[in-house]
Amino acid sequence: SQQGEEDPQALSIQEGENATMNCSYKTSINNLQWYRQNSGRGLVHLILIRSNEREKHSGRLRVTLDTSKKSSSLLITASRAADTASYFCATDKYGNKLVFGAGTILRVKS
Amino acid sequence: DVKVTQSSRYLVKRTGEKVFLECVQDMDHENMFWYRQDPGLGLRLIYFSYDVKMKEKGDIPEGYSVSREKKERFSLILESASTNQTSMYLCASESGGAPTQYFGPGTRLLVL
Repeated sequence: SQQGEEDPQALSIQEGENATMNCSYKTSINNLQWYRQNSGRGLVHLILIRSNEREKHSGRLRVTLDTSKKSSSLLITASRAADTASYFCATDKYGNKLVFGAGTILRVKS
Repeated sequence: DVKVTQSSRYLVKRTGEKVFLECVQDMDHENMFWYRQDPGLGLRLIYFSYDVKMKEKGDIPEGYSVSREKKERFSLILESASTNQTSMYLCASESGGAPTQYFGPGTRLLVL
């Protein structure tokens, strides 16, 4: 079964607004990562947060991790049309194997 | 810059054909992975390899095999393609010391 599950499945916002995506997982983890996938392309790593971290920033991205609730959120501030993509969380518990969720499809309208 | 390439972006094959998907990385990474991606199911791990000539089954290895004869190259083989193997196939590589994976552009396979 999938370790990570994203919510919502799809999100549509206007350019300039903030986008928040959530990820829940089932078992303890070492790290949680977020990846982006533009339509029909491979995934690109965005940010990694370790299990002993609660928040991390990278440019317009902010990730939080709540291990007690087994959940994470990805916030994209001041969204742009170029942020339109699918976003996946991935957890690693079993050594090098990542377990991906089904993804959130983000559409940013200009 | 990190680079992972896959041999084809699009591929159309007939049921029963043997299919080879190749992946090459130029980062000297130890670990390489093959995933398939289907709508609503996310990425599912087929096989991975942590060294030359080494392979481990992922979550859905049935109907697939792999080969890693050189460190930079990891091949996925569909011995006898079936229509339920129509999917997007993604290759990734990873340094043994860090969990971040680098993905190729994907191969969209259609089995008729």
